[in-house]
This record gives sequence, C-alpha cells and structure tokens, in this order.
Amino acid sequence: DQQVKQNSPSLSVQEGRISILNCDYTNSMFDYFLWYKKYPAEGPTFLISISSIKDKNEDGRFTVFLNKSAKHLSLHIVPSQPGDSAVYFCAASANRVSGGYQKVTFGTGTKLQVIP
Amino acid sequence: SQTIHQWPATLVQPVGSPLSLECTVEGTSNPNLYWYRQAAGRGLQLLFYSVGIGQISSEVPQNLSASRPQDRQFILSSKKLLLSDSGFYLCAWSPGSAPLHFGNGTRLTVT
Repeated sequence: DQQVKQNSPSLSVQEGRISILNCDYTNSMFDYFLWYKKYPAEGPTFLISISSIKDKNEDGRFTVFLNKSAKHLSLHIVPSQPGDSAVYFCAASANRVSGGYQKVTFGTGTKLQVIP
Repeated sequence: SQTIHQWPATLVQPVGSPLSLECTVEGTSNPNLYWYRQAAGRGLQLLFYSVGIGQISSEVPQNLSASRPQDRQFILSSKKLLLSDSGFYLCAWSPGSAPLHFGNGTRLTVT
C-alpha cells in the first residue's frame, strides 16, 4: 500500500521556467511533509519541509504547497536551473515526537530534467 | 559539522553469502539511526531504526538484521543473501525528530 504517491516518474522543463512536482498521500494522520533531492550515486538530501498547520513554505527558489483537503502537496522550483536536475522524493511522517524516532514514508520519486 | 559515512559504495555478492554494511556518524551524539532500502521502481522503504545502543526496531520482516554496537555505528547484516535482497541501501541519521540525513548508499547486487 503506497501511502505517498508520486504519479509522474519523470518531468522535463526548460531552464528558467517553473518546475512543478506533485505528490499525493492517503494517510490522514500525516502531519509533516518533506521533499528530498537525490543525485545519482548519492544519498537523498533534505530540501524543504512543511507542517500540516501551514499551506505554504518558501525557501529561495523552492516553495512547497500543501492542500490538506485534497491530500496533495507540490514543490515549485522557480526559476529552474540545470543543476536542479535530479530525482525528487516526497515524504511524510505522522505524530512527530521531539527527541523520538520518526517513521518517514517516501514516495517513488520524480526524475526532473532541466534542459539548458 | 555532522557527517555520515557508509561503505562500500557498491557490492556484488552471490546468493547465500553473508552481508555486512557499515555506517558511522561523526559530529553528533545519540543520533537516531535508520536503514532504508530502495528497490528498483520503488520508494525508500524503512528497514530498521535505532534510538540508542543495542536498541533496534524492525519495520518489515525480512532476511536482514541490524545492530548498533556503538553510539554512532549502525550495521546491516545478513547470514545468507537472497536475490530479492538486491537494491540500494541507505543509512540515515536524525537528531530526534528533525529531517533525516542520508549517507551515499550502497548498491548491492546479489547474483
């Protein structure tokens, strides 16, 4: 049962344009959402996160939007750069406890290619 | 600053052979440690997590085991590898409930 779904395995965008990566989830207990970026032969690196009490979080060129009623989140990259080409994983967790472990559920990833 | 080391980067092992993957974290103490696996076409699946020395929890039944002999060392093992154990194995750590920090992973091919 895939609780976090990234239905687009790949996406191509022209340099300078906006990249929109989408993610859907099914578990209504999820209250914290993250995006990770992964280059080949490397581990994923944390990019940006959002708590369920917010509907938007922005960090430079990266903005994450959360629509709780639709159980949908998206990552916007503006403007897209060739160095953004990577696999992006959406992830979610529930009931984060300070100091405790967190069970993070990951999607299958979307491969973004930014064309120069 | 904190760093995580994971080795080897790639590994080819025959079916039935043992496995030992090691992960160490530097620059922090008492981290939460995790082992994830990414099989082809699938997301990252949590295999084990540990909140302290000797404390291991398993998320899925499988052919693998994990150990934490020291505060910043996490080991993934198997006595006899199966073909289905092939995949990309990632070690990660977190300071409590903060986002995970991953190592560079080990590509395991069981032949």
